[in-house]
Amino acid sequence: DAGVTQSPTHLIKTRGQQVTLRCSPKSGHDTVSWYQQALGQGPQFIFQYYEEEERQRGNFPDRFSGHQFPNYSSELNVNALLLGDSALYLCASSSDRGGYEQYFGPGTRLTVT
Amino acid sequence: KQEVTQIPAALSVPEGENLVLNCSFTDSAIYNLQWFRQDPGKGLTSLLLIQSSQREQTSGRLNASLDKSSGRSTLYIAASQPGDSATYLCAVGGSNQAGTALIFGKGTTLSVSS
Repeated sequence: DAGVTQSPTHLIKTRGQQVTLRCSPKSGHDTVSWYQQALGQGPQFIFQYYEEEERQRGNFPDRFSGHQFPNYSSELNVNALLLGDSALYLCASSSDRGGYEQYFGPGTRLTVT
Repeated sequence: KQEVTQIPAALSVPEGENLVLNCSFTDSAIYNLQWFRQDPGKGLTSLLLIQSSQREQTSGRLNASLDKSSGRSTLYIAASQPGDSATYLCAVGGSNQAGTALIFGKGTTLSVSS
């Protein structure tokens, strides 16, 4: 079992650009959540996808959007990048069968210059 | 609005010591609580999951307790080792009817010296 995988590992973008991050959930999981972690802080919830729909959303602007595919993999898109979007982006997967225990991927480090 | 607080923010102990990390949350209507470990620049590793109906969970040298009524959880680490050095994060999960987003504390950074 490969666990949760994320790509790319690192990314450098310029202010105003757009970025897409990708996540493949752990085998058997159908729910994907995205989190943003700034340096020295705990992760902050962005949104959660289940059955290809956004089920829950945190306090993030509409510049942050996502998608879940039929194979349960997911993308996070961020438009009009700001310097403050620089962070570690974490993807987590879970399922009701596992009591919604969330398993995290290694993250994507995004740097906006 | 759920808020999670972890005390202390940092902790340094000599190898072999038993230690307790504390987590408190403001809304007792939680679905579950998870403890994670994070090494610098890395993702999160799940250590223990406690469902809202449970009082504690154990895995090896780790024991986590949950007191929903008082909004508290503790992570007990027995016989600490240098390899335990990391940041430990506590997170509470909301009702599964509306989604199961985790709300995190800022973490406790543990340093175990040999």
